[in-house]
Amino acid sequence: AQKITQTQPGMFVQEKEAVTLDCTYDTSDQSYGLFWYKQPSSGEMIFLIYQGSYDEQNATEGRYSLNFQKARKSANLVISASQLGDSAMYFCAMREGKTYNTDKLIFGTGTRLQVFP
Amino acid sequence: EAGVTQSPTHLIKTRGQQATLRCSPISGHTSVYWYQQALGLGLQFLLWYDEGEERNRGNFPPRFSGRQFPNYSSELNVNALELEDSALYLCASSLGQGAMGNQPQHFGDGTRLSIL
Repeated sequence: AQKITQTQPGMFVQEKEAVTLDCTYDTSDQSYGLFWYKQPSSGEMIFLIYQGSYDEQNATEGRYSLNFQKARKSANLVISASQLGDSAMYFCAMREGKTYNTDKLIFGTGTRLQVFP
Repeated sequence: EAGVTQSPTHLIKTRGQQATLRCSPISGHTSVYWYQQALGLGLQFLLWYDEGEERNRGNFPPRFSGRQFPNYSSELNVNALELEDSALYLCASSLGQGAMGNQPQHFGDGTRLSIL
C-alpha cells in the first residue's frame, strides 16, 4: 500500500544554517510524483517543490532542493540558509501513477521545523 | 493571479446540523480536491472532482458529499455533524487530468469547522 513516512516530529535549526527533513515512501507503482508542502501556523498549505519518479535530476526551487534517492525510496527536503520565516510544519506527499481515478495525494504526518536566531 | 479561495474561514455548528463549505479554484484549474485535517490525524483525502464529475472518494461516510459547478467551483456538504468532524477542511485545485505530467495541487487557506 502507498505510504509516506516522516520520522522527525520536530527539528530545530539555527538561522542561516541548512536543514534536511526526511521523507521515505512506499509504492509499487513505477510512475509517481513526490511533493513537499509547508504549512505555517495560519493553516494554508504552500507548495514548495516537486520530483517525478522519472526525473534524473534532483529538483531545486530557490533555497529548497530535493535529495531524491529512488533505490532507497527517499525524498528528503533540504532547506539552505534557513530563515525565521521557515518555521512551520512541512509535509511530504505522493501521488501514484497516471491512473485517472487515483489522483489523491497521500501525506506524511509532517515535521515541525523551528528556526531560532 | 488569485489563488484558491475558501469560505467561510470559520464555521461553528452543533451536533446533527449540516455544514456547507465552498471553494473557488485557481483560474484555469478544472480539478478540485477536498482534504480533512483533524488534530492528530494528519491530512486525509476526502473527494476529488474534475470537469464536474466526482472522480475519487476517500474513506469517509456518505454524509460527506459535494459537487462541482460548471465554473469549477465546488461545495463540500457534511450532514448530521458529529463532534469528530471538527477539523480544518482544505480545498486544493490543479490542472485537470488531461494536463501532462504530475501537476501540483495548490491549496486554499482552509475552513475551520468546529462542532459544539
